Amino acid sequence: NAGVTQTPKFQVLKTGQSMTLQCAQDMNHEYMSWYRQDPGMGLRLIHYSVGAGITDQGEVPNGYNVSRSTTEDFPLRLLSAAPSQTSVYFCASSVRGTNEKLFFGSGTQLSVL
Amino acid sequence: AQSVAQPEDQVNVAEGNPLTVKCTYSVSGNPYLFWYVQYPNRGLQFLLKYITGDNLVKGSYGFEAEFNKSQTSFHLKKPSALVSDSALYFCAVRDGIRGNNRLAFGKGNQVVVIP
Repeated sequence: NAGVTQTPKFQVLKTGQSMTLQCAQDMNHEYMSWYRQDPGMGLRLIHYSVGAGITDQGEVPNGYNVSRSTTEDFPLRLLSAAPSQTSVYFCASSVRGTNEKLFFGSGTQLSVL
Repeated sequence: AQSVAQPEDQVNVAEGNPLTVKCTYSVSGNPYLFWYVQYPNRGLQFLLKYITGDNLVKGSYGFEAEFNKSQTSFHLKKPSALVSDSALYFCAVRDGIRGNNRLAFGKGNQVVVIP
């Protein structure tokens, strides 16, 4: 019962470094998404995908890239990390879309110094 | 545009008392509404949703929510709170337009159940 798996759990970066946050789900879900959680601001959608090869921007996409080459994986890439990207990042998936319940990973806590 | 307001930062309630967490929404069409709960150091977990039908929706762990179209509200309720209900609660909404896959979350409400 793995569900949605995110790695790493914690990461510290220096300004300007790049990295990839990994997200994998084993439920054959078509829909996957990335959110960031900041105190007092709730969750904000970064990017989402409705199937392999299809991605779209959310509310706060700048500074992030995604791709969806397989149904299972949806990595989030930070191109050049900035302190404003310090946050907790959650990956979520659902069977087909946002009219159905989302299954969330346990999160990645990212600090950019 | 779609948005959610959760007006209270924190809700304190004594164990055994009724719990209410407030949510109002704004969408351009018919709303799809959700409640999620987040326990410390965990991802969010689905509690319940309203798509259409009965205005009173029952969900997990004894929670329910009432959809009120005239007041654009979707308050979460539990008749008798438990200490284990202490967590962060998020309301979320999307409009019912076909092909919309963006879900908007509120800022969250911290619920503290006092023994």
